[in-house]
Amino acid sequence: KQEVTQIPAALSVPEGENLVLNCSFTDSAIYNLQWFRQDPGKGLTSLLLIQSSQREQTSGRLNASLDKSSGRSTLYIAASQPGDSATYLCAVSLLAGNNRKLIWGLGTSLAVNP
Amino acid sequence: GAGVSQSPSNKVTEKGKDVELRCDPISGHTALYWYRQSLGQGLEFLIYFQGNSAPDKSGLPSDRFSAERTGGSVSTLTIQRTQQEDSAVYLCASSLSPMRSETQYFGPGTRLLVL
Repeated sequence: KQEVTQIPAALSVPEGENLVLNCSFTDSAIYNLQWFRQDPGKGLTSLLLIQSSQREQTSGRLNASLDKSSGRSTLYIAASQPGDSATYLCAVSLLAGNNRKLIWGLGTSLAVNP
Repeated sequence: GAGVSQSPSNKVTEKGKDVELRCDPISGHTALYWYRQSLGQGLEFLIYFQGNSAPDKSGLPSDRFSAERTGGSVSTLTIQRTQQEDSAVYLCASSLSPMRSETQYFGPGTRLLVL
């Protein structure tokens, strides 16, 4: 059974710091991995999607890496800003059959302090 | 353009009552997904639609939960005889196609509280 774990559960940093959020999954048979951001009352926003054949994806100050063999992904946020404060969720899409479900981690709650 | 919308945004109901939650996907999106997020727990997949059919409903927690989609657009998630453990945020997402490479776009959710 696929399980997704995110560390740390919560993180508080001063503005301007570079930071890394971690995601691990137990079954390497994934189709892709996504990072989402969740803001209160606003649902989820997809940040980056990494296909299983890819090693990393970049968007602005965000860089996500994927090491499928070791079951790990990291989300790197450069020069953090107060507006980055949110919960960051990692989700994997399973490989098998007609399955379209995403398996989610519990998230990392990030606070960037001005 | 309009994103995924859900209604109501909040719903308070009494144990044993039925509730209906609505999702309006992005126009033209053929795939629609329902998830549940309970306090202190991760998101839990409930069901996904391709058009009006549901190839995967494996996440529905009991037969009190059902969902339908009409006209390849609006979807309704119905919970019968609600229980307190049904309290959660119910999220709907849509994607252009059910290809797993497609990004899912999420609505703001319906926060359900069963008293």
